[in-house]
Amino acid sequence: NAGVTQTPKFQVLKTGQSMTLQCAQDMNHNSMYWYRQDPGMGLRLIYYSASEGTTDKGEVPNGYNVSRLNKREFSLRLESAAPSQTSVYFCASRKGSAGTGELFFGEGSRLTVL
Amino acid sequence: QKEVEQDPGPLSVPEGAIVSLNCTYSNSAFQYFMWYRQYSRKGPELLMYTYSSGNKEDGRFTAQVDKSSKYISLFIRDSQPSDSATYLCLGDNAGKSTFGDGTTLTVKP
Repeated sequence: NAGVTQTPKFQVLKTGQSMTLQCAQDMNHNSMYWYRQDPGMGLRLIYYSASEGTTDKGEVPNGYNVSRLNKREFSLRLESAAPSQTSVYFCASRKGSAGTGELFFGEGSRLTVL
Repeated sequence: QKEVEQDPGPLSVPEGAIVSLNCTYSNSAFQYFMWYRQYSRKGPELLMYTYSSGNKEDGRFTAQVDKSSKYISLFIRDSQPSDSATYLCLGDNAGKSTFGDGTTLTVKP
């Protein structure tokens, strides 16, 4: 049982390049989330999807786009990467659409923008 | 002002010590509170989940919520080196989960 799977685990980009972080969950969860974590800081919500077909902005959405491809998959796209987007990105999911219950996290994707 | 403020640490204690980790929050709409544990280079994992004011105990861990003072705590009894990790508190309102910045704990043998 894989839980939440993120790819890639590591990525180095040059300023201005684009990339997509992929996330898939096999727990039949309704809600999915993208967070970023910077040194000494907690997790900050970038975007979330309460259910298939819906997405909403979180605390720090600028510079990112998301797609809820289906119930299992939620991708995060950086259209023109900037050094300020160097971070560890975590995808998470939870069972309910209303947001209650445990958040299950992936292992993280470490992104460096030069 | 951040919605969830967490004592920054880092915290270093000897094995067997009682550890107290603390957060305050400002959003009265928070309905649920959680504590997550994050080992180095891993994703966070749920440790404790609470809804109402009061205490919830699970083995060596006790989560305490005081909604009147907007204060949440996690106590670890008989701390072990395996408890060395970053602990994150979380307040949740209808799907929008706000994390504290985390407290890094080291338990020395």
